[in-house]
Amino acid sequence: GQQVMQIPQYQHVQEGEDFTTYCNSSTTLSNIQWYKQRPGGHPVFLIQLVKSGEVKKQKRLTFQFGEAKKNSSLHITATQTTDVGTYFCAGRHAGNMLTFGGGTRLMVKP
Amino acid sequence: DSGVTQTPKHLITATGQRVTLRCSPRSGDLSVYWYQQSLDQGLQFLIQYYNGEERAKGNILERFSAQQFPDLHSELNLSSLELGDSALYFCASSPTSRDRRSGTQYFGPGTRLTVL
Repeated sequence: GQQVMQIPQYQHVQEGEDFTTYCNSSTTLSNIQWYKQRPGGHPVFLIQLVKSGEVKKQKRLTFQFGEAKKNSSLHITATQTTDVGTYFCAGRHAGNMLTFGGGTRLMVKP
Repeated sequence: DSGVTQTPKHLITATGQRVTLRCSPRSGDLSVYWYQQSLDQGLQFLIQYYNGEERAKGNILERFSAQQFPDLHSELNLSSLELGDSALYFCASSPTSRDRRSGTQYFGPGTRLTVL
């Protein structure tokens, strides 16, 4: 079946360091979404990427969609303790199904 | 606040029992999705309904069933509960299942189910 793999599963960083999570799909995606789930909370939509090679920024967060529309990344510059949480990518396949990656749990040491 | 409501927030029950989780989507959203999230795990897609009809099935056990009512709220029924069913169950809604650009899912706060 269609799968979306996300790495790493966990990441510990020192506050101020950068962080990146990667998402790979076994098949071409029509679009990809990113969600953030704070500890004890529910997933919250961050952004959607649609075009091949698209790059979008939200303050310290940079989202990229690969040229082949099979991979994506989320990069956080100079992490803060408020960035703590689990980041999920979710790829939409041709059949309009949204498949979530396993998530990357980010922990930030102050 | 996403606009999606779920009840109850917490549910503790025993093995073998049956429970019903309820979800009210955002006003106007036609699609409802159910997900299971076990401790420190990802989101496992269970089932999707669109305007009252089942649209897609994921890894949903035969012991589980769901429905969406004419007022668009949805219920997830879990029966013959096992210890391994303990998890967070999220409901999400989205405006439509056909428009790719409107596929954002808005998650409810979840129901934490504990099976003893």
